Amino acid sequence: ETGVTQSPTHLIKTRGQQVTLRCSSQSGHNTVSWYQQALGQGPQFIFQYYREEENGRGNFPPRFSGLQFPNYSSELNVNALELDDSALYLCASSFRGVTNEKLFFGSGTQLSVL
Amino acid sequence: AQSVTQPDIHITVSEGASLELRCNYSYGATPYLFWYVQSPGQGLQLLLKYFSGDTLVQGIKGFEAEFKRSQSSFNLRKPSVHWSDAAEYFCAVGAPNFGNEKLTFGTGTRLTIIP
Repeated sequence: ETGVTQSPTHLIKTRGQQVTLRCSSQSGHNTVSWYQQALGQGPQFIFQYYREEENGRGNFPPRFSGLQFPNYSSELNVNALELDDSALYLCASSFRGVTNEKLFFGSGTQLSVL
Repeated sequence: AQSVTQPDIHITVSEGASLELRCNYSYGATPYLFWYVQSPGQGLQLLLKYFSGDTLVQGIKGFEAEFKRSQSSFNLRKPSVHWSDAAEYFCAVGAPNFGNEKLTFGTGTRLTIIP
């Protein structure tokens, strides 16, 4: 049990729709990162938020966006869904400010785009 | 750009036998290195990490890994596997200026344990 919760656990959307995934970080954590894990692949870094601002982004288009709220919960928004967006989306939180602080992952949201 | 290669897609090991999972990385300086385990339908759990210092790192569940700069490797080992070790294992590299938040993962090695 990591203390990082994600909702929903599963989601089915159709191409062109928009989706919002939610993450509740572990208590006290000020940094949240989002990863996309396609079937049979390792997770890929989407972006990271620190103190409510984007603080690093991977190779993902602008239709992938996010928010981090004052209570350190977070959202991942994907617009104009494509079939290739089907994947497990993982949220991870940590506390920046402590050397070598650990990254805690949630169980993910499985998104299927039809 | 940093990258991670896990050459073995799938490994099958008998319960009680030893295990070594390979990981090679590409990074310009001394990286932060990690091993994670993922069980079906679950998120990632950190097994161990290397930031600096002793190149032999001990982790949870009896796992260890050795950082070899000359070979750009960070192989994971366990002297005797248990059926509960069956899972997907990911090696990852992180950029020091990002701490451990922005990680580049390998494609994973699926471990099957046979009785």
